[in-house]
Amino acid sequence: KNEVEQSPQNLTAQEGEFITINCSYSVGISALHWLQQHPGGGIVSLFMLSSGKKKHGRLIATINIQEKHSSLHITASHPRDSAVYICAVNFGNEKLTFGTGTRLTIIP
Amino acid sequence: GAGVSQSPSNKVTEKGKDVELRCDPISGHTALYWYRQSLGQGLEFLIYFQGNSAPDKSGLPSDRFSAERTGGSVSTLTIQRTQQEDSAVYLCASSKTGGVNEAFFGQGTRLTVV
Repeated sequence: KNEVEQSPQNLTAQEGEFITINCSYSVGISALHWLQQHPGGGIVSLFMLSSGKKKHGRLIATINIQEKHSSLHITASHPRDSAVYICAVNFGNEKLTFGTGTRLTIIP
Repeated sequence: GAGVSQSPSNKVTEKGKDVELRCDPISGHTALYWYRQSLGQGLEFLIYFQGNSAPDKSGLPSDRFSAERTGGSVSTLTIQRTQQEDSAVYLCASSKTGGVNEAFFGQGTRLTVV
């Protein structure tokens, strides 16, 4: 069965802390996406990756194909980073299969 | 347009009524997806369009759900005889082409069936 698991479900941290959110999946994939959803807002694509590492500002995404695992890191976290972060995967086709999301709260 | 546009943003309907949800993808995007986000259920795939064709409609939960896309652009998701369990946020996304590409999401339509 094609499954995507995220951890932790909820994460609260102090401003400035280094944040890591994890995603693992069950079988081989075409690509993995990290998405951000603010309360009451739409979903924004942060990264799409199939190997290695990508960086955008304070955000870093890595993927280990052999381990079937990806991490999203946020450096120097800020209250505006508070959102739900969702891992989604293409299991060899166009549609996305989603993890349950990680609710991140950054306290000033 | 500048982004994926969905309408209405909110819809309250009585159980048993039919509803139509609209999605306007980014101009030139050939791939269009409908997803549903239910409370406590997370996001789930409903249907995928490539142009006007729907090669994957495996996520539609029942025959009360249907969707069409015309002119390779606007798509309409129709739910007939709505039930309370249909209450959810319905999200539309588009991509430049089929295959694996970055997806651009709309703001969603929050459907409440009372």
